[in-house]
Amino acid sequence: GEDVEQSLFLSVREGDSSVINCTYTDSSSTYLYWYKQEPGAGLQLLTYIFSNMDMKQDQRLTVLLNKKDKHLSLRIADTQTGDSAIYFCAETSPGYALNFGKGTSLLVTP
Amino acid sequence: DGGITQSPKYLFRKEGQNVTLSCEQNLNHDAMYWYRQDPGQGLRLIYYSQIVNDFQKGDIAEGYSVSREKKESFPLTVTSAQKNPTAFYLCASSMESVIAKNIQYFGAGTRLSVL
Repeated sequence: GEDVEQSLFLSVREGDSSVINCTYTDSSSTYLYWYKQEPGAGLQLLTYIFSNMDMKQDQRLTVLLNKKDKHLSLRIADTQTGDSAIYFCAETSPGYALNFGKGTSLLVTP
Repeated sequence: DGGITQSPKYLFRKEGQNVTLSCEQNLNHDAMYWYRQDPGQGLRLIYYSQIVNDFQKGDIAEGYSVSREKKESFPLTVTSAQKNPTAFYLCASSMESVIAKNIQYFGAGTRLSVL
């Protein structure tokens, strides 16, 4: 299928905000997701947003959705060293599988 | 403790050998999935199953086979036809309903290497 696009790398200082961007492909996707992967581990769901919403906030996480541009972003406030990981954007696709981006590696420096 | 268990964590394959990766879930989920992860490539879908005794090929099914004889189990066999099997393999499951929002839950993964 078509590619979900993400930038590959982001570096921020501890305490700053991080913004990870994603461009998805299917305007009919019902849900869009953000997953986190720590080294050598599986994926952990961070948050998701329903396609009829513009924004969702969950503690330090804010998701923004621009359906017109098929753009999704994840903002992490007060980024900590424990937030260093790979972050994947994903969209629903036919058959209930998910279509994932290649992931953004977030490095948080002290 | 509910979840998805993948075993083994590390697996080595010799030339010409078939190997089987295990995936078990006790979440009572209907759907199960296998993904392959290569560095810088994200996750690519190998096979998925929405119900017992039925499964569908994903984007990169060649050289792999699966079975779904029980709801809780979805083993993946990497056959000798898969010429580049070195990767991190992830199993996932989800409940098939609108309420469940198709949220997929992942196991911890199996890292397969070729000797």
